[in-house]
Amino acid sequence: DVKVTQSSRYLVKRTGEKVFLECVQDMDHENMFWYRQDPGLGLRLIYFSYDVKMKEKGDIPEGYSVSREKKERFSLILESASTNQTSMYLCASSSGLAGGTSTDTQYFGPGTRLTVL
Amino acid sequence: GQQVMQIPQYQHVQEGEDFTTYCNSSTTLSNIQWYKQRPGGHPVFLIQLVKSGEVKKQKRLTFQFGEAKKNSSLHITATQTTDVGTYFCAASSSNTGKLIFGQGTTLQVKP
Repeated sequence: DVKVTQSSRYLVKRTGEKVFLECVQDMDHENMFWYRQDPGLGLRLIYFSYDVKMKEKGDIPEGYSVSREKKERFSLILESASTNQTSMYLCASSSGLAGGTSTDTQYFGPGTRLTVL
Repeated sequence: GQQVMQIPQYQHVQEGEDFTTYCNSSTTLSNIQWYKQRPGGHPVFLIQLVKSGEVKKQKRLTFQFGEAKKNSSLHITATQTTDVGTYFCAASSSNTGKLIFGQGTTLQVKP
């Protein structure tokens, strides 16, 4: 079974703090993703990575950065947290092996509910 | 960029009633995936549809991919309380493995 773990289930930070959210997957997956989930907006992609040290912006990258120094670990960084970054953050990974018209299944971590005061 | 619209946003049904959620795109999709998120949980993959007009079944769940590959639906027959959760469709944007998620439909089932 694929396991995706996230460093915290709940996190409370203050405005202006630097916040690190960590994600680790144990299936040697190539692709990793960070989403935020807000009511009525579904899952919105922040950043993704398809290889070590590679990163691509998603739909809402502003205010975030990422780091992928090792294949199994993908970190999301909030350089200076703001109240509008209060949200549920979900990490996901996929194998990167699908071809043709198929797309890899994404496996999600349990999520981190971040509150910025 | 590519968008996937999903309706309705919420649905309340009596246990035993049927339920359907719809997913629409303005562009032709390579494929579509469906995920389920239980309350307090994380999204879990249900199925992927690739072929035009494809229909797949998982017990009481029926998934369809439109002939033009621009829409999809998930139908649940005779809902049960275990069906409660949010159902997301997700479309492939390109060969990057990136998915575009719909807004989700949250299903509540009254026993």
